[in-house]
Amino acid sequence: SQQGEEDPQALSIQEGENATMNCSYKTSINNLQWYRQNSGRGLVHLILIRSNEREKHSGRLRVTLDTSKKSSSLLITASRAADTASYFCATDQAGTALIFGKGTTLSVSS
Amino acid sequence: DADVTQTPRNRITKTGKRIMLECSQTKGHDRMYWYRQDPGLGLRLIYYSFDVKDINKGEISDGYSVSRQAQAKFSLSLESAIPNQTALYFCATSARREGMNEQFFGPGTRLTVL
Repeated sequence: SQQGEEDPQALSIQEGENATMNCSYKTSINNLQWYRQNSGRGLVHLILIRSNEREKHSGRLRVTLDTSKKSSSLLITASRAADTASYFCATDQAGTALIFGKGTTLSVSS
Repeated sequence: DADVTQTPRNRITKTGKRIMLECSQTKGHDRMYWYRQDPGLGLRLIYYSFDVKDINKGEISDGYSVSRQAQAKFSLSLESAIPNQTALYFCATSARREGMNEQFFGPGTRLTVL
């Protein structure tokens, strides 16, 4: 069964707007990761946040983690058309394999 | 050159045929993984291997087998393909680093079983 569930399933915004995606999970984790997938291609790692961290930044990306609520959010600021992709959260429970959610499809129009 | 390569990139086959998908990596990682992706279902783990002598079943291993021929090579076999194995298959690798197991993905193999 899948650990992470992203919300919303799909998101459409205009260039320049911010995009926020959420991920909820069920059990305790070592870390949570976000990946991006352009249509039909392999996933690309974006950012990792450890269970003892609450917020992390990388360029236009901001990730938060609330372990008490078992949830994470990914914020992309000043979105560009090139950010159009699917975004997946993945949880590392015990240093074994990651468990991926079903993803959020982001569409950024110019 | 790509760090994680998959062959073939596309394959069309018939029900009952044996199929092998291959994955090679030049990243020097110990850990390798096979996933399948279906529309609306995200990625589901089929098998994973933490070193040459280690093979572990994932969420959906039935109907699949794997072989870790070397640190750099991890192949996935469908012994007798069936139509519901039509999917996009990804290989991934990661390093053995405590708490920092970000994965690196290959470009995928699109498999169609008729």
